Amino acid sequence: DIVMTQSPLSLPVTPGEPASISCRSSQSLLQSNGNNYLDWYVQKPGQSPQLLIFLGSNRASGVPDRFSGSGSGTDYTLKISRVEAEDVGVYYCMQSLHTPYTFGQGTKLEIK
Amino acid sequence: DVQLVESGGGLVQPGRSLRLSCTTSGFNFAEYAMSWFRQAPGKGLEWVGFIRSKSYSGTAEYAASVNGRFTISRDDSKSIAYLQMNSLKTEDTGVYYCGRDRGLFLHYYGIDFWGRGTTVTVS
Repeated sequence: DIVMTQSPLSLPVTPGEPASISCRSSQSLLQSNGNNYLDWYVQKPGQSPQLLIFLGSNRASGVPDRFSGSGSGTDYTLKISRVEAEDVGVYYCMQSLHTPYTFGQGTKLEIK
Repeated sequence: DVQLVESGGGLVQPGRSLRLSCTTSGFNFAEYAMSWFRQAPGKGLEWVGFIRSKSYSGTAEYAASVNGRFTISRDDSKSIAYLQMNSLKTEDTGVYYCGRDRGLFLHYYGIDFWGRGTTVTVS
């Protein structure tokens, strides 16, 4: 199984400041079609997960442009350019290249 | 609007069975693979399995932790995906979510829609 490792696991951020979460996979998520099968999801308190970024760098519909995803191969990053209070939640990376799909441990973003 | 609604959760004794449903609307269900996920209390997300669209065999794959005990099926005429859970264990306790997976030609846009989840307690 592909192991996904996120860091940090806890991320206190001052509103208006940037934030960054790293996700590393135990094997490359780059397929021969050129797509990186790495997604980012956020689970806000009391809610179901919601998609932020798919295929490494594509923002999902309705996601603010202060969220961006980058990376290729085994190393990926989610960046929030200016954190807002509504961004509180647990952020997960997930690989969907091979089954079983696997998630990172989750990064809990909190507001300072 | 795309909607996914899970149902069928509840309290069940170890060793018993439960069937969850994921009722969908707002998109052509038959064109999509559907995934099931779960989240144990206070823990992270875990993929349970998925079922391909019939255009891509309609077969299912499972996480090792549920393989042989859980079965995913689909009824395209009703736009519903099912998760049959047998021989339940206490460690199967959690919230179960369904999500929309790969679409036509296996185009992937993430798990772009999720249900609100249904709670399963095995005790």
